[in-house]
Amino acid sequence: QVQLHQRGAGLLKPAKTLSLTCAVSDGSFSDYFWSWIRQSPGKGLEWIGDIVHRGSTNYNPSLKSRVTISIDTSKYEFYLKLKSVTAADTGTYYCARGKRLAEWSGDFIQYYFFGSDVWGQGTPVAVSS
Amino acid sequence: DIVMTQSPDSLAVSLGERATITCQSSQSLLYSSNNKNYLAWYQQRPGLPPKLLMYWASTRESGVPDRFSGGGTGTDFTLTISSLQAEDVALYYCQQYYSDPWTFGQGTKVEIK
Repeated sequence: QVQLHQRGAGLLKPAKTLSLTCAVSDGSFSDYFWSWIRQSPGKGLEWIGDIVHRGSTNYNPSLKSRVTISIDTSKYEFYLKLKSVTAADTGTYYCARGKRLAEWSGDFIQYYFFGSDVWGQGTPVAVSS
Repeated sequence: DIVMTQSPDSLAVSLGERATITCQSSQSLLYSSNNKNYLAWYQQRPGLPPKLLMYWASTRESGVPDRFSGGGTGTDFTLTISSLQAEDVALYYCQQYYSDPWTFGQGTKVEIK
């Protein structure tokens, strides 16, 4: 059973960059989406964005200007960077594996996300001066 | 963004009784080309990450007990626990994946009466 293990600093000062790593136990990158999701009392669950093994990314427009998600398949890891953090970025951050459906659309295969089935343990992040 | 609204915010049900949570989306989640509803349900127990219960609105994830069932189509969906067990005390969330950004409902807290 695949496991996701998160690491990274959980206490930041405003205007700094949040950096988190998610390690995938079996390196099964090619068949799934790899996501970051956060949870806060004020905003509930919020999808931050995702990446696939070839490096294509998709970000939440509300965070797009500050977010970078990247992947290193040789290390079995993917990463989150969120720059210029404020108190509004306080919450618990999760990495997650997204189930992927492949369907032919004309001459191309389209990939569709249909749920996050494996989650990391969560990293509490606090932004405070 | 598609807005997901759950009701009620909290629900207290006796052990062995039925619990039903509703989720409404601000636009249809039914994709006409494949007749699938792009909706998932999650359970989150205290101190743990969410756990996927259901996808395509009514397909149970592997290992999820069959007392959990999902229904609905278009903009109105339900998650039903047919016979509430003590381990079902949790927060429950719906999530749409019809159009990005994927969005979640605000959550429904299920407790024992």
